[in-house]
Amino acid sequence: DGGITQSPKYLFRKEGQNVTLSCEQNLNHDAMYWYRQDPGQGLRLIYYSQIVNDFQKGDIAEGYSVSREKKESFPLTVTSAQKNPTAFYLCASSMEGTSPLHFGNGTRLTVT
Amino acid sequence: GQQLNQSPQSMFIQEGEDVSMNCTSSSIFNTWLWYKQDPGEGPVLLIALYKAGELTSNGRLTAQFGITRKDSFLNISASIPSDVGIYFCAGQLGGATNKLIFGTGTLLAVQP
Repeated sequence: DGGITQSPKYLFRKEGQNVTLSCEQNLNHDAMYWYRQDPGQGLRLIYYSQIVNDFQKGDIAEGYSVSREKKESFPLTVTSAQKNPTAFYLCASSMEGTSPLHFGNGTRLTVT
Repeated sequence: GQQLNQSPQSMFIQEGEDVSMNCTSSSIFNTWLWYKQDPGEGPVLLIALYKAGELTSNGRLTAQFGITRKDSFLNISASIPSDVGIYFCAGQLGGATNKLIFGTGTLLAVQP
């Protein structure tokens, strides 16, 4: 079955630690995205990548970093510089152009 | 970051009732998408709209792309308990980036 896999489902970290969230897709999609979701808010774009070895900042990129070394993979690192990292993180992918985004099932990160 | 105005924020209805929700924006969009999100899961695409004035159905769901390209609505007819969840609209600005702008979501609760 084709799809987007995010792991782990739940992640707990101490404040001051960097943490990397995994996102893998086997849909052969060119573009991949990371969104953050907080209660009562819509999804906010962190980073996106339209092609391997290239990515752009979204609306809330500060405190995050990404890499796109392979078409299938787009890991997100939440750094200690992110002031409020506790949130639900969603990865998505799409073909080029105007095709809709397809989402993974998310990773809930809790930082204490 | 830009977000769409989505209303209502929440709806509590009886099984069998019809539901209507809408999104408005100050920006013109090339594409409107409607997603449903179950608790702890990623959003799932319900309907995609690509042309101003387009009216599209998916089972009991009907969505329309507003003529002005600044709004869209979603109707659910004869609601059932499994319709419970958060519904998001998303507008796509078009161009090369394929970025989506999300609404703040409508929480739907259906009482059997």
